[in-house]
Amino acid sequence: GAGVSQSPRYKVTKRGQDVALRCDPISGHVSLYWYRQALGQGPEFLTYFNYEAQQDKSGLPNDRFSAERPEGSISTLTIQRTEQRDSAMYRCASSPRPDTYEQYFGPGTRLTVT
Amino acid sequence: DQQVKQNSPSLSVQEGRISILNCDYTNSMFDYFLWYKKYPAEGPTFLISISSIKDKNEDGRFTVFLNKSAKHLSLHIVPSQPGDSAVYFCASYSNYQLIWGAGTKLIIKP
Repeated sequence: GAGVSQSPRYKVTKRGQDVALRCDPISGHVSLYWYRQALGQGPEFLTYFNYEAQQDKSGLPNDRFSAERPEGSISTLTIQRTEQRDSAMYRCASSPRPDTYEQYFGPGTRLTVT
Repeated sequence: DQQVKQNSPSLSVQEGRISILNCDYTNSMFDYFLWYKKYPAEGPTFLISISSIKDKNEDGRFTVFLNKSAKHLSLHIVPSQPGDSAVYFCASYSNYQLIWGAGTKLIIKP
């Protein structure tokens, strides 16, 4: 069966541009998580959804970052007015039920802001 | 402040020998501890977990040990195989959040 997919896999953008990163979770998975991973570090929690409801966005660095999951399936992480410090690997994970450590990760989107 | 620490960025082990990966944590309220394995260009994949109420969990060649008094856990791989070469992340779980260490790159030498 298909795993978690993310697109694009690589994104290079100029500072000040907006970017939208897409996550397609495993079919039927209730929960969806976004993480950011800097080079040489583990993933850092950003936000997560149960169905279409955003449960916690405390990990979003600032108000330039937003996420949505309008139909409880695909999610989009949007970064407005990108800055160089936003460059990182952005990872998405999904899980079959809420509040479980059983998370399945996608391959990530490598964002580079020039 | 890092709540989960993996102090060894890399580890090299001879094929067939035991690999021991270490992890320290600071918060005694974590419910579960997990190890994830990551190959290049792929996302992390779940390997093994341990509940905070246990001190050992074994799954085939993989065993995780938890020492709560020392706030330390370790992953043992016996015997090590070439396909075990990957980055291993230690993570803690509490209230839907995974908190990750920085990872240890394991290299299995033939």
